[in-house]
Amino acid sequence: DQQVKQNSPSLSVQEGRISILNCDYTNSMFDYFLWYKKYPAEGPTFLISISSIKDKNEDGRFTVFLNKSAKHLSLHIVPSQPGDSAVYFCAAAETSGSRLTFGEGTQLTVNP
Amino acid sequence: NAGVTQTPKFQVLKTGQSMTLQCAQDMNHEYMSWYRQDPGMGLRLIHYSVGAGITDQGEVPNGYNVSRSTTEDFPLRLLSAAPSQTSVYFCASSNGPGYTFGSGTRLTVV
Repeated sequence: DQQVKQNSPSLSVQEGRISILNCDYTNSMFDYFLWYKKYPAEGPTFLISISSIKDKNEDGRFTVFLNKSAKHLSLHIVPSQPGDSAVYFCAAAETSGSRLTFGEGTQLTVNP
Repeated sequence: NAGVTQTPKFQVLKTGQSMTLQCAQDMNHEYMSWYRQDPGMGLRLIHYSVGAGITDQGEVPNGYNVSRSTTEDFPLRLLSAAPSQTSVYFCASSNGPGYTFGSGTRLTVV
């Protein structure tokens, strides 16, 4: 069973606008949630994380929101830039540092 | 600081051959993992380690072996390669919560 799902395989936005990437999970034992960015032919790069005791975490242009009751998290990128074009993976873990379960990924394209 | 180093970057194997994918990290991280990435399936966990001498199976362990004799190294062994193991393999390490990934090994089994 897919415990972490990203239902949108792709997303296209204009430069300067907001990008919103969504992620749903089913395992109520997940306590940490992370977002990774991946460019072609490179390994995933850690972007931002949030623990279940918070509902929001910000880092510059990136904000992650967590809704535990809905088992849903989202990544907001404001303003979007062409360099943000990449595949974004949502991931979850039961404890900090424990094994990660990834979603399928969303290809974000930011058009100039 | 090299981070997570994976070798080789590319490999072609014939069905039935065995090989070892190397992974080394220089950050003194306790946790290490191996993932495979396939189109439309995200990254799936193959094997996992919480420290030297301790390993555990992930979501897709069949056909793969690991060992963790030192904190730095976490090699992944393919016992008898099959076309279904054609994939991109990533090694990662962490002290929590975010993992640092290597640049990957692209493996083709023919």
